[in-house]
Amino acid sequence: SAVISQKPSRDICQRGTSLTIQCQVDSQVTMMFWYRQQPGQSLTLIATANQGSEATYESGFVIDKFPISRPNLTFSTLTVSNMSPEDSSIYLCSVADRGLGEQYFGPGTRLTVT
Amino acid sequence: DAKTTQPNSMESNEEEPVHLPCNHSTISGTDYIHWYRQLPSQGPEYVIHGLTSNVNNRMASLAIAEDRKSSTLILHRATLRDAAVYYCTVTSGTYKYIFGTGTRLKVLA
Repeated sequence: SAVISQKPSRDICQRGTSLTIQCQVDSQVTMMFWYRQQPGQSLTLIATANQGSEATYESGFVIDKFPISRPNLTFSTLTVSNMSPEDSSIYLCSVADRGLGEQYFGPGTRLTVT
Repeated sequence: DAKTTQPNSMESNEEEPVHLPCNHSTISGTDYIHWYRQLPSQGPEYVIHGLTSNVNNRMASLAIAEDRKSSTLILHRATLRDAAVYYCTVTSGTYKYIFGTGTRLKVLA
């Protein structure tokens, strides 16, 4: 299994600002994913971030709003840019390694935009 | 990616078995069925996955229909710590998960 940490665990931000969320894994993994979970809702995949390639975004999510970096096999960041109250959500990263069949999720970052 | 349909909520008495159903009628031949659960204020936790045959692990059992269009997660003896939202998801080799609404399981003492 993989142990995943996220920073910050929570934050309150003003509209129009940006926040960068960090995801750190205790082992090298091939694939990382970023999800959003709005209050009381299920998880929605934002993008897939594989090391050495550009992130792949899902429909409804764009790079200008959610830029992602994946500089190595244990770390990734997601930036939420030009925030509005509608961006208030929990943001989670997860990791998977080919052949394992399961993903491991971080504890999430609870973002509130005022 | 195949969509999944689950009941919004279920209740179970403590120490009794729980059967959580999931429909995935658009599943393709190479798609795996995964189950995760999310306890309050935590990220989802892997429970079990399978392709065609029934699977068992220390947490649960997964029963897959012969036509693979549905599956059932079985918790053999529910405990209060099993109260969570259970998600069924279907994925191919891309490892992309499309989460449905999930089933909120309430365990009664």
